Amino acid sequence: KAGVTQTPRYLIKTRGQQVTLSCSPISGHRSVSWYQQTPGQGLQFLFEYFSETQRNKGNFPGRFSGRQFSNSRSEMNVSTLELGDSALYLCASSISGGSSYEQYFGPGTRLTVT
Amino acid sequence: AQRVTQPEKLLSVFKGAPVELKCNYSYSGSPELFWYVQYSRQRLQLLLRHISRESIKGFTADLNKGETSFHLKKPFAQEEDSAMYYCARYNAGNMLTFGGGTRLMVKP
Repeated sequence: KAGVTQTPRYLIKTRGQQVTLSCSPISGHRSVSWYQQTPGQGLQFLFEYFSETQRNKGNFPGRFSGRQFSNSRSEMNVSTLELGDSALYLCASSISGGSSYEQYFGPGTRLTVT
Repeated sequence: AQRVTQPEKLLSVFKGAPVELKCNYSYSGSPELFWYVQYSRQRLQLLLRHISRESIKGFTADLNKGETSFHLKKPFAQEEDSAMYYCARYNAGNMLTFGGGTRLMVKP
């Protein structure tokens, strides 16, 4: 079974631009979560989507948004990029919500904002 | 907000020595806790969860509600155990709250 894939793997953007990251979950998984990983703040939850609906959102500004498509693929968008948005963005998929379902992580997209 | 604390950023041991990676959580009800591991150049993956009470790769973790801890232990460390280890707590809405991580280095 193919794992979670994320595209692109690396991205360099300029302050003020916007960016879209993509995540393809494992086949059959309907829940997709996004995390931001930085050296200073560690791994922080951004949001979670299930069946095209955002079910939960972390403590991030409105510049961070996402969506999920009918095939469970998910995208996250960051508008008006700031230097502090430089991070590794991870997505994780699981069959459904609930702690009994393992979350499988993708390799991440490394975003650098200059 | 739920908190997960890993007090050690780096833990260095010799091969064959016992290992204990510490994890403490803020008390609230019945926590559901996990250990995730990230080996060099690999993705983050689940190592074990407290509810399953199993041993994975020789690692075990016991939930101590009195001390609000979920320390990860292995009696004899191997070089291949060198990795980043994250303690995480499950929250409603399929959200994981992670600790800051501990880098384990096992020296030959």
